[in-house]
Amino acid sequence: GNSVTQMEGPVTLSEEAFLTINCTYTATGYPSLFWYVQYPGEGLQLLLKATKADDKGSNKGFEATYRKETTSFHLEKGSVQVSDSAVYFCALSTNTGFQKLVFGTGTRLLVSP
Amino acid sequence: SQTIHQWPATLVQPVGSPLSLECTVEGTSNPNLYWYRQAAGRGLQLLFYSVGIGQISSEVPQNLSASRPQDRQFILSSKKLLLSDSGFYLCAWTSPNLLHFGNGTRLTVT
Repeated sequence: GNSVTQMEGPVTLSEEAFLTINCTYTATGYPSLFWYVQYPGEGLQLLLKATKADDKGSNKGFEATYRKETTSFHLEKGSVQVSDSAVYFCALSTNTGFQKLVFGTGTRLLVSP
Repeated sequence: SQTIHQWPATLVQPVGSPLSLECTVEGTSNPNLYWYRQAAGRGLQLLFYSVGIGQISSEVPQNLSASRPQDRQFILSSKKLLLSDSGFYLCAWTSPNLLHFGNGTRLTVT
C-alpha cells in the first residue's frame, strides 16, 4: 500500500541554521507529494507541493524536490526562524478522483533564538 | 472565499458518553469532505470521507460514525466514547487539487 516515512523529531535548531527534514514514500503509480505545516493549536496548512518527478515546490523559503529515483521529498530551508517552529507533515496523493492524502507521522521542529 | 468551521476547539468527555463534532464549509458547493484523526505520536489517519449528501465512506473500522445531512455540513459522532478515541480531529475539504483543513478539535476522553 501507499505510505510515507518521515524522520522522527523533535528537530532542535538555532535560528538561522539550515534545516532538512527527510521524507520518503512508497506508492503505486505517480503520486503527488505535499508538505503541510501545523502551527501550535491550529489545523494543517499546505506549505508546498510537487506533482511530478523533478518538480521543486517552494514557499516561505522552504523547498522540496520530487525525487523519483530515491522516492524522496526532503524539506529544506537555508535559514530557519523561531516562527518556523511547528510540526511538519509529508504526504502523498495517488490522484484518484478526489484527494485521499496519506500522511507521515509528522516531525516537530523547535527553533531557538 | 471558502472557509471551513469546526467546533468545538477542545472537548473533554468521560468514557461512555456520546460525541458530536460538527464541521461546515462556506463559499463552495458540493465539496468532498473528510474527517482525519491525529493521535498522540502518530500521523494523520483518514477516518471518513464524503462526496455528497448522505454518502459516507469509512476508511477504518472504529467506534465512530459520520453523517452528512446537508451539502456543506459534516458531523462526526459516537454513541459511547472509548479512551482510545482521544486525539485531534480535523475536518477538511478539497478544491480540485488541494486539501484544506479546519483548525481541529482536541478531544480528551477521561
